[in-house]
Amino acid sequence: NAGVMQNPRHLVRRRGQEARLRCSPMKGHSHVYWYRQLPEEGLKFMVYLQKENIIDESGMPKERFSAEFPKEGPSILRIQQVVRGDSAAYFCASSPQNSGNTIYFGEGSWLTVV
Amino acid sequence: DAKTTQPNSMESNEEEPVHLPCNHSTISGTDYIHWYRQLPSQGPEYVIHGLTSNVNNRMASLAIAEDRKSSTLILHRATLRDAAVYYCIRGLHTDKLIFGTGTRLQVFP
Repeated sequence: NAGVMQNPRHLVRRRGQEARLRCSPMKGHSHVYWYRQLPEEGLKFMVYLQKENIIDESGMPKERFSAEFPKEGPSILRIQQVVRGDSAAYFCASSPQNSGNTIYFGEGSWLTVV
Repeated sequence: DAKTTQPNSMESNEEEPVHLPCNHSTISGTDYIHWYRQLPSQGPEYVIHGLTSNVNNRMASLAIAEDRKSSTLILHRATLRDAAVYYCIRGLHTDKLIFGTGTRLQVFP
């Protein structure tokens, strides 16, 4: 049973470009979460999604960031017009359902904005 | 607000037991206590979780105080591979874990 798969593992973008990070949850998991970890800082919750629904986006920056989890395919975290401050590790996690279930993290996607 | 308090760092020698404390004095009756750890350049890894009773698994043991205001993660025999940042998290719903700064565990040979 494959774990949470994230790609790309490393991504370099110039300022102003778009970054797309993909996350395939574990088999049988219908809930996806995105976290961001800035250099030398802790993990910050960004967004929680179920298939075709955003459940909680209280941690998402108001502009340039969006997330989706379509009926088919991986969850996508999209960052438009990237700036240097977006350089971070972005972690995806999944769980089979909410309330009482452990969430499992992927290995992360490291975004570097130059 | 992580709502848990952990020491910034701890040290241990290999093969010795490690007790990582966590205070969660404002925990509610339905909050679970979760522990994750993060090795350098890796994603967080689930360690253990519990509600009221002590819990054991192949990785660790979780001792929860009777009043649930604190808990202790116990690594029975530390190895070099256990060097990581350990996060204690309380959560009403595990669908939104709020991570604090954790405890950085160093293990010496």
